[in-house]
Amino acid sequence: GESVGLHLPTLSVQEGDNSIINCAYSNSASDYFIWYKQESGKGPQFIIDIRSNMDKRQGQRVTVLLNKTVKHLSLQIAATQPGDSAVYFCAEKESGGYNKLIFGAGTRLAVHP
Amino acid sequence: KAGVTQTPRYLIKTRGQQVTLSCSPISGHRSVSWYQQTPGQGLQFLFEYFSETQRNKGNFPGRFSGRQFSNSRSEMNVSTLELGDSALYLCASSLAPGSGTEAFFGQGTRLTVV
Repeated sequence: GESVGLHLPTLSVQEGDNSIINCAYSNSASDYFIWYKQESGKGPQFIIDIRSNMDKRQGQRVTVLLNKTVKHLSLQIAATQPGDSAVYFCAEKESGGYNKLIFGAGTRLAVHP
Repeated sequence: KAGVTQTPRYLIKTRGQQVTLSCSPISGHRSVSWYQQTPGQGLQFLFEYFSETQRNKGNFPGRFSGRQFSNSRSEMNVSTLELGDSALYLCASSLAPGSGTEAFFGQGTRLTVV
């Protein structure tokens, strides 16, 4: 279903630690998933994506894990930096040829020095 | 390569007025989607355009409409504005419809209805 984000959960980490942000998606027909980062006053910024035929994908300092059995997605950020502080959204796209994204509620990541 | 450009960045309108927002996608991208972002509802899909045709529509009233031009630029219109329409309106640009197509967002237009 559509996301409702009344109260954003917050993950607080120390600079240099690894961060893990979790997301439960809703539609078993979704076959493409994206993580976005949104800083204050800006639009969502693409971080990494994964297709449903994969269970792991790595980028620079980021890894996305997909567990289709329990409809769970996670974003791992290695050696978290103050610049990583933002709100992170997962998004799912249903197979079928359209670009409609269903967004999760978002998680605020706060990185402390 | 220029990113997604949305204009204007900020707007203040009065209840009952109408507003038009503009989005220029990344060069070569032909699919444009619109989203509304509010603190209460998060990011919600409004509609998607490809080849000047609306391909998909979210659960918004008919006061929300849009169109796409032959150069892929898109506009969305909200008529008879309500206080609850105050939001950040985001445009996303993709090469074409379909899974595995990355969507890139613009900075958004912040609409305030008073």
